[in-house]
Amino acid sequence: KAGVTQTPRYLIKTRGQQVTLSCSPISGHRSVSWYQQTPGQGLQFLFEYFSETQRNKGNFPGRFSGRQFSNSRSEMNVSTLELGDSALYLCASSLGQGGDGYTFGSGTRLTVV
Amino acid sequence: GENVEQHPSTLSVQEGDSAVIKCTYSDSASNYFPWYKQELGKGPQLIIDIRSNVGEKKDQRIAVTLNKTAKHFSLHITETQPEDSAVYFCAASRGGTSYGKLTFGQGTILTVHP
Repeated sequence: KAGVTQTPRYLIKTRGQQVTLSCSPISGHRSVSWYQQTPGQGLQFLFEYFSETQRNKGNFPGRFSGRQFSNSRSEMNVSTLELGDSALYLCASSLGQGGDGYTFGSGTRLTVV
Repeated sequence: GENVEQHPSTLSVQEGDSAVIKCTYSDSASNYFPWYKQELGKGPQLIIDIRSNVGEKKDQRIAVTLNKTAKHFSLHITETQPEDSAVYFCAASRGGTSYGKLTFGQGTILTVHP
């Protein structure tokens, strides 16, 4: 079966701009989690959506937001980009009921200049 | 919040040797502990996980042990091969509706020398 698909793979944006990243989960998966990965901070949890509702939220500023559509596809948005937002953004999907693990996509590499 | 400490940060072994990576967690309510392997340019790949009602789990050359009293869990890889070289992450979550909120360790760079 197809894995978790993230688009685009690479993105370069300018400070102050906003960006939207997309994640298509494995078919049938209802939970999508987002993570930020940087060399200094490692893998940090952003938020999780389950059946179109945000179920969990990490400790990121309000500039980071997300949503999930009825087909379980998810998007995350970062407004007013800062240099420190440069990172690999990963999404992961799961059935969401606790019986299986999360499968990660390959990520979107965001560079803010 | 939850804090997960992972050691060592780097590990170098000879092919055929065993490798052990250890993690400790702070939240006593955590009950789900997955391990991920990340290769260059790829996302993390789930290799094994364990839940709090189990003390040990094996899958071929990989095993994980959990000590809930001490709040630590470990990954054991036996008969290491060069293709095991990667970054390994441990993680923890509370399960239930918080199942999708994983807190990760800082990672261990494993190098297996032929």
